[in-house]
Amino acid sequence: KAGVTQTPRYLIKTRGQQVTLSCSPISGHRSVSWYQQTPGQGLQFLFEYFSETQRNKGNFPGRFSGRQFSNSRSEMNVSTLELGDSALYLCASSLASTGSTDTQYFGPGTRLTVL
Amino acid sequence: AQSVTQLDSQVPVFEEAPVELRCNYSSSVSVYLFWYVQYPNQGLQLLLKYLSGSTLVKGINGFEAEFNKSQTSFHLRKPSVHISDTAEYFCAVSDPGDKIIFGKGTRLHILP
Repeated sequence: KAGVTQTPRYLIKTRGQQVTLSCSPISGHRSVSWYQQTPGQGLQFLFEYFSETQRNKGNFPGRFSGRQFSNSRSEMNVSTLELGDSALYLCASSLASTGSTDTQYFGPGTRLTVL
Repeated sequence: AQSVTQLDSQVPVFEEAPVELRCNYSSSVSVYLFWYVQYPNQGLQLLLKYLSGSTLVKGINGFEAEFNKSQTSFHLRKPSVHISDTAEYFCAVSDPGDKIIFGKGTRLHILP
């Protein structure tokens, strides 16, 4: 079974631009969660989608948004990029929603650099 | 509100020596507890998880952790580390039905 895939793996953008990151979960998984990982703040929860509905949201500004499609693939969008948005963005999938007993499986991440 | 504290940001240990990575959490209700490992340039991989039942949890790669409710701790241990255990380790907590909160991570350095 293929694991969680994220595209692109690396991305360089400039301040003010917007970016879209993609995550394909493990086949059959309906939950996709997104995390931002930085050296200073560690792993921070962005949001979770389950069956195309946002189920949970972290404390990030509205510039961060996401969606999930009927095939469970998810996209995350960041508008008006700031230097502080430079980070590794990780996506994780699971059968049931977070907060259940199911294991989350992580993708390799997208490394976003904002210049 | 949930929170997780990993008391050591870095832990150096000699190869074949035992190691303990410490994790304390706070939560107002029953919790699920996790340890994840992140190898360089990779995503996170689940080592083990505590959901209920036995307080000693065994995971992959020879790791185990003990849930201590009175001390609100979930320390990770391995009796003998290998150079391949060099990685960053994350403790995490979730309330049933809620999102997962991660600690800041502990870098494990294996010394030859």
